[in-house]
Amino acid sequence: NAGVTQTPKFRVLKTGQSMTLLCAQDMNHEYMYWYRQDPGMGLRLIHYSVGEGTTAKGEVPDGYNVSRLKKQNFLLGLESAAPSQTSVYFCASSHRTPGLAGPWDEQFFGPGTRLTVL
Amino acid sequence: AQTVTQSQPEMSVQEAETVTLSCTYDTSESNYYLFWYKQPPSRQMILVIRQEAYKQQNATENRFSVNFQKAAKSFSLKISDSQLGDTAMYFCAFMKLGGGADGLTFGKGTHLIIQP
Repeated sequence: NAGVTQTPKFRVLKTGQSMTLLCAQDMNHEYMYWYRQDPGMGLRLIHYSVGEGTTAKGEVPDGYNVSRLKKQNFLLGLESAAPSQTSVYFCASSHRTPGLAGPWDEQFFGPGTRLTVL
Repeated sequence: AQTVTQSQPEMSVQEAETVTLSCTYDTSESNYYLFWYKQPPSRQMILVIRQEAYKQQNATENRFSVNFQKAAKSFSLKISDSQLGDTAMYFCAFMKLGGGADGLTFGKGTHLIIQP
């Protein structure tokens, strides 16, 4: 049971290049999330998904696209990278809380991807 | 929308001392969860403790405990008998009840240094 894995761990891009970050989880979780962490900041939500084939915008979605074609995978794409997207990116997953009054389900985080855009 | 504020960018204490990290939040929600996450130099996010807002009793996990003041919207973390391995960034986070799909809202973090 690997939990949440992220590929790659490090990447350097030039401005204007594109790339895709892959997140995979083997816990059969319904929810998946992409966050970014900048120096002096906590994590901020980019996009999230409540199930296969569905995605939604978070707090800072501009410049990113996502896809959830398979339940276990959540992809984050940068079509034209900018220096402002230099950050550490974290993926997380959790079970769907069964009803509003149901038990809370922990978010499990991946190890992060450090992306530098020159 | 909710906000989470951690007013202590950095704290340093001696090993075995007790330290308290502060967190305040602002929300119009009445039911929610609060969390403390630890991020060591490895970068891995580790859940330390959680508190359901509808529970009056403060959560405890071994050496970690919280002081949850709902009316004041305050959620501090107390670490007793601090250890060198407690050195890390600590983040306070908020999630509304039933809002698992909306993700977590984090504070900016407190860098805690435990001195030998």
